[in-house]
Amino acid sequence: EDQVTQSPEALRLQEGESSSLNCSYTVSGLRGLFWYRQDPGKGPEFLFTLYSAGEEKEKERLKATLTKKESFLHITAPKPEDSATYLCAVLMVGGTSYGKLTFGQGTILTVHP
Amino acid sequence: GAVVSQHPSWVICKSGTSVKIECRSLDFQATTMFWYRQFPKQSLMLMATSNEGSKATYEQGVEKDKFLINHASLTLSTLTVTSAHPEDSSFYICSARTLGQGGNQPQHFGDGTRLSIL
Repeated sequence: EDQVTQSPEALRLQEGESSSLNCSYTVSGLRGLFWYRQDPGKGPEFLFTLYSAGEEKEKERLKATLTKKESFLHITAPKPEDSATYLCAVLMVGGTSYGKLTFGQGTILTVHP
Repeated sequence: GAVVSQHPSWVICKSGTSVKIECRSLDFQATTMFWYRQFPKQSLMLMATSNEGSKATYEQGVEKDKFLINHASLTLSTLTVTSAHPEDSSFYICSARTLGQGGNQPQHFGDGTRLSIL
């Protein structure tokens, strides 16, 4: 069965304390992996798309990487404004042509000043 | 770029009322739009996929007569919750995706609609 699992469920960091979030997937074929940020009461905000193993994307303090089994979202020197829920989602080869995503449960990140 | 506007952001209404939620892509044409439901502290659950000019495809367990979806143009999709009841109270989020090779472009999300049925 295709699955997307994110860990940890929640992560508390001090400002400036770098860390990584994990998204592991077991799918029959990957067409793309997407990272989103969601603030309370808001819709997800698109961050990155990764299409093939070895690919990396960066944006400010965030860096996303992809292997054949998992993706990491590295946060360098986080600030309180980075606090949010981070969601990963996969688009599978076997999915419909409409691009249906399978989401993980998310990691709630809290950065304390 | 890739802005999706969802309206209204918050609705409170009585049981039995029908509620319409609009989802617009403001700066791009969305050949495909998606409707999700999100319960507190849970991830997004896909309800249906809609393509401009054709009938929506509903996920298993989602009542198509309860949740009416119309995608009349490349920039607008609507979700109507018919005869809403308290158990329909939830956070509804739409997303839109452009047409592209392989269909693997990211989805861009609206800010959601908080629906509360009394």
